[in-house]
Amino acid sequence: DTGVSQDPRHKITKRGQNVTFRCDPISEHNRLYWYRQTLGQGPEFLTYFQNEAQLEKSRLLSDRFSAERPKGSFSTLEIQRTEQGDSAMYLCASSLAGRLTNTGELFFGEGSRLTVL
Amino acid sequence: AQKITQTQPGMFVQEKEAVTLDCTYDTSDPSYGLFWYKQPSSGEMIFLIYQGSYDQQNATEGRYSLNFQKARKSANLVISASQLGDSAMYFCAMREVGTYKYIFGTGTRLKVLA
Repeated sequence: DTGVSQDPRHKITKRGQNVTFRCDPISEHNRLYWYRQTLGQGPEFLTYFQNEAQLEKSRLLSDRFSAERPKGSFSTLEIQRTEQGDSAMYLCASSLAGRLTNTGELFFGEGSRLTVL
Repeated sequence: AQKITQTQPGMFVQEKEAVTLDCTYDTSDPSYGLFWYKQPSSGEMIFLIYQGSYDQQNATEGRYSLNFQKARKSANLVISASQLGDSAMYFCAMREVGTYKYIFGTGTRLKVLA
């Protein structure tokens, strides 16, 4: 399978605990995105990377959230001191950006569902 | 600031009929891309169709077409010959070329009736 993969698919945690999600993008894709989606809503932009550089971070992302893409390949999204409001689906997507790209559409993983009790 | 608006929370269509899902957008950037994605109950977002702001013709991909009206800032998705498997959430999205950030609308839930 050469698509975007996310791990874990489901995470249940207690309030106050830290959680980390991993995303492995399509190997040749240079851009990687994190989105959060709550029930019945569209994906909300959190942050994105070009290679290893984090280019933009949403104001939605509090100081408890941090994302990394250390070698420009996989990425991690960590949430510290989780709160019940953090319960959501966390979606990772990747794309190939460049002059030769025609549309640059996002390719999404299946998401990591977080439930904070 | 960029904004995507989908005003139809839910739509019903009879199998084999055509359906139009509405999307309007707002941007000050003259160069942008518009996308439609399908999200079945399994959760994975599936890319359907793309329209560039400078494209002269409306995009088509199989049973999907995009009715692009630039002056009205609308990019409606038309699904022809609806199938039961088309039942899903549909999201309109926009990317400004300068930022490569994608924003999404709130979605429309489509139910195809047998």
